[in-house]
Amino acid sequence: GAVVSQHPSWVICKSGTSVKIECRSLDFQATTMFWYRQFPKQSLMLMATSNEGSKATYEQGVEKDKFLINHASLTLSTLTVTSAHPEDSSFYICSASVVGAGEETQYFGPGTRLLVL
Amino acid sequence: GDSVTQMEGPVTLSEEAFLTINCTYTATGYPSLFWYVQYPGEGLQLLLKATKADDKGSNKGFEATYRKETTSFHLEKGSVQVSDSAVYFCALSDPQAGTALIFGKGTTLSVSS
Repeated sequence: GAVVSQHPSWVICKSGTSVKIECRSLDFQATTMFWYRQFPKQSLMLMATSNEGSKATYEQGVEKDKFLINHASLTLSTLTVTSAHPEDSSFYICSASVVGAGEETQYFGPGTRLLVL
Repeated sequence: GDSVTQMEGPVTLSEEAFLTINCTYTATGYPSLFWYVQYPGEGLQLLLKATKADDKGSNKGFEATYRKETTSFHLEKGSVQVSDSAVYFCALSDPQAGTALIFGKGTTLSVSS
């Protein structure tokens, strides 16, 4: 089946630094990738929708200057948390969308746990 | 807006017990409904889905029926195994709002032998 990887799987950083998270579709091309955020015992909340070669579409309440998304190729999207603060500590999950047999399916990465000290 | 509500966990069962995880939804359109499973240390995996009313999704012994009249999509399995221990997420996708998924909070299932 389709595999999506994320790197790093977890990261600890100091407040004020920036962190980049990579999301790759390993064996398929994805025109659309999604970034979600999950707080402990909470739902996955959609942060943004990323289309290859165009600007990401952010959900209401998500700061686009804070969470920079780049989708430079059909297999890679990156999320950069700029000037991270402790409240940005969370579990970030990406998914990649693929269309087959007229249906669209999302495949999820394993997530990246971010801890900001 | 659209939302998904699923039963609070954790759910703790003995092997071969019957499983039900309740899920209800609110949507303005005609959503597709999904169950995703997340095994420890792994990413979310699609377990099953249903795209219209009265459809039944099934996979690996799990099944769920899209009930429009009760806006529900309850997950069931007749006999759980230890390997079914995971977090289960109910989700919907509203075609009118694009393909982004709206998730429930997740229900942790723990099965003991």
